[in-house]
Amino acid sequence: SYVLTQPPSVSVAPGQTAMITCGGNNIVSKSLHWYQQKPGQAPALVVYDDFDRPPGIPERFSGSNSGNTATLTITRVEAGDEADYYCQVWDNSSDLRMLFGGGTKLTVI
Amino acid sequence: QVQLVQSGAEVKKPGASVKVSCKASGYTFTSCYIHWLREAPGQGLEWMGIINPSVGSTTYAQKFQGRVIMTGDTSTSTIYMDLSSLRSEDTAVYYCARAAPGYSSGWLDYWGQGTLVTVSS
Repeated sequence: SYVLTQPPSVSVAPGQTAMITCGGNNIVSKSLHWYQQKPGQAPALVVYDDFDRPPGIPERFSGSNSGNTATLTITRVEAGDEADYYCQVWDNSSDLRMLFGGGTKLTVI
Repeated sequence: QVQLVQSGAEVKKPGASVKVSCKASGYTFTSCYIHWLREAPGQGLEWMGIINPSVGSTTYAQKFQGRVIMTGDTSTSTIYMDLSSLRSEDTAVYYCARAAPGYSSGWLDYWGQGTLVTVSS
């Protein structure tokens, strides 16, 4: 079955660039979506269809998808960006299902 | 504005059932699929299934088949998720989330606030 792999944690200083990866076999063939989840809150969509942003999401958030790795890039990181980030695809290779990566905790140091 | 408002926290005993509601507003209820997901303590997001509120058709994750039933009430714009034979491992925050208009699969653009279900003897 298909698996999405994320690093458990990423640390970055304020003002720097954070890159959060999501690995999967030929992930470029899938539409990749990213969610931000702050403590005690529901997840919120930050990037959809690999690189599109929903209304209200700053341009500092961008996505890319190539080969076996998709990446969420956050430029000029702020303290308020500290959260868990999850990648998500729809997998219809066997059992039709929505799949999430294990999540990456972004810490702003 | 689009809102999904879920019912309150529940405490259940092992073997019992729980029914969580998700009331939608701010858009045409029958135009968007609704997904249910959960997040156990210290764990990530887990997809449970999807319902088409227009016709009531459902697809459940294999893990939950036989234990979950999702239904909709178009008169109140409310979706329900019923999970039976509860065990301690079902302790989690349960979320409903809206699929983007025109998509059954794809991304989730609005989420409910979450409902904590605690299973404990």
